[in-house]
Amino acid sequence: AAGVIQSPRHLIKEKRETATLKCYPIPRHDTVYWYQQGPGQDPQFLISFYEKMQSDKGSIPDRFSAQQFSDYHSELNMSSLELGDSALYFCASSTWTGEGSYNEQFFGPGTRLTVL
Amino acid sequence: AQSVTQPDIHITVSEGASLELRCNYSYGATPYLFWYVQSPGQGLQLLLKYFSGDTLVQGIKGFEAEFKRSQSSFNLRKPSVHWSDAAEYFCAVGSTGNQFYFGTGTSLTVIP
Repeated sequence: AAGVIQSPRHLIKEKRETATLKCYPIPRHDTVYWYQQGPGQDPQFLISFYEKMQSDKGSIPDRFSAQQFSDYHSELNMSSLELGDSALYFCASSTWTGEGSYNEQFFGPGTRLTVL
Repeated sequence: AQSVTQPDIHITVSEGASLELRCNYSYGATPYLFWYVQSPGQGLQLLLKYFSGDTLVQGIKGFEAEFKRSQSSFNLRKPSVHWSDAAEYFCAVGSTGNQFYFGTGTSLTVIP
């Protein structure tokens, strides 16, 4: 079965540079979520999108932005990178149910970002 | 607000011994519960999940978990641990509106 695809899998950047992470959801999934997992930490929710609109927002820094495109893939744009941005970034996808129910999120393999 | 607590930051067991990892959740309605395993530098692998029905859930790699509503717990168990089980284990809860929360994780070390 098709899974969530993330690219690139590894990314090395210098401080103050920009980075773009891409996420391709499972076919027919219309909702995408981004998580950040720092070293030794649990994954923290950043932001989610449904039908190209932001559906929820977590602890995403102002230096980061994200969007979802008409083909449902999503990109996380990170500017003015800091050493503390080094982390594993997960994307997950699901179908949307709104309030009252829950649909499982399926996680991608993650993009490991290293900021030097 | 929903939350997930994993009381044990780190557990060490001998190979062949039984294992139980604790997870407690705080959620008003019926929770959707998950256990993930993560090897160093790797992604999250789903071990098992509970949505409804039988409260004893079987997962991959010989793991099982039991949902106990009265104790707000979803503990993960394995009767005989293998060295390859050494990893970080995350309990997570999903709620209506597609919210999802991870616990802080339990690091498992397996002694030969």
